[in-house]
Amino acid sequence: KAGVTQTPRYLIKTRGQQVTLSCSPISGHRSVSWYQQTPGQGLQFLFEYFSETQRNKGNFPGRFSGRQFSNSRSEMNVSTLELGDSALYLCASSPATVSNEQFFGPGTRLTVL
Amino acid sequence: AQSVTQLGSHVSVSEGALVLLRCNYSSSVPPYLFWYVQYPNQGLQLLLKYTTGATLVKGINGFEAEFKKSETSFHLTKPSAHMSDAAEYFCAVTFTGGGNKLTFGTGTQLKVEL
Repeated sequence: KAGVTQTPRYLIKTRGQQVTLSCSPISGHRSVSWYQQTPGQGLQFLFEYFSETQRNKGNFPGRFSGRQFSNSRSEMNVSTLELGDSALYLCASSPATVSNEQFFGPGTRLTVL
Repeated sequence: AQSVTQLGSHVSVSEGALVLLRCNYSSSVPPYLFWYVQYPNQGLQLLLKYTTGATLVKGINGFEAEFKKSETSFHLTKPSAHMSDAAEYFCAVTFTGGGNKLTFGTGTQLKVEL
């Protein structure tokens, strides 16, 4: 079974721009979660989508948004980029069993200049 | 609210020595606990998990962890370190009804020396 894939792997943007990151979950997984990883703040939960609905949301400003499609693929969007948005963005998928086990993709490294 | 504390941001061991990475959690409801490993420029890989049942959990690559409710701990151990174990390790917690929102510790960088 193919793992979680994220595109692009690397991205460079400038302040004020917007960006869209994509995540394809493992086949059959209906839950997709997004995390931001930075040296200063560590791993922080952004949001989770399950069956096209946002099920959980972390403590991030409204500039961060996401969506999930009927095939479970997910995108996250960051508008009006700030320097502090530079981070590794990780996507994780889950079969949504009670064990809540998540499988992570390799991440998208976003650099904001 | 849940939280995780990992004691020691950097741990160094000799090859063949015991690995002990510490994790304490705080949760008002029964937790689900996880250990993940991250190699440079990669995502997170699940090492092991505790949900319910047996408190001693065995994972991949010879790692194991014991859930101790009285101590609110979930320390990760491996009897004999290998050079390939050098990586960053994260402890994480969630709970039934919490969906897939993982709360992570700050991570422990493990260095293995010859």
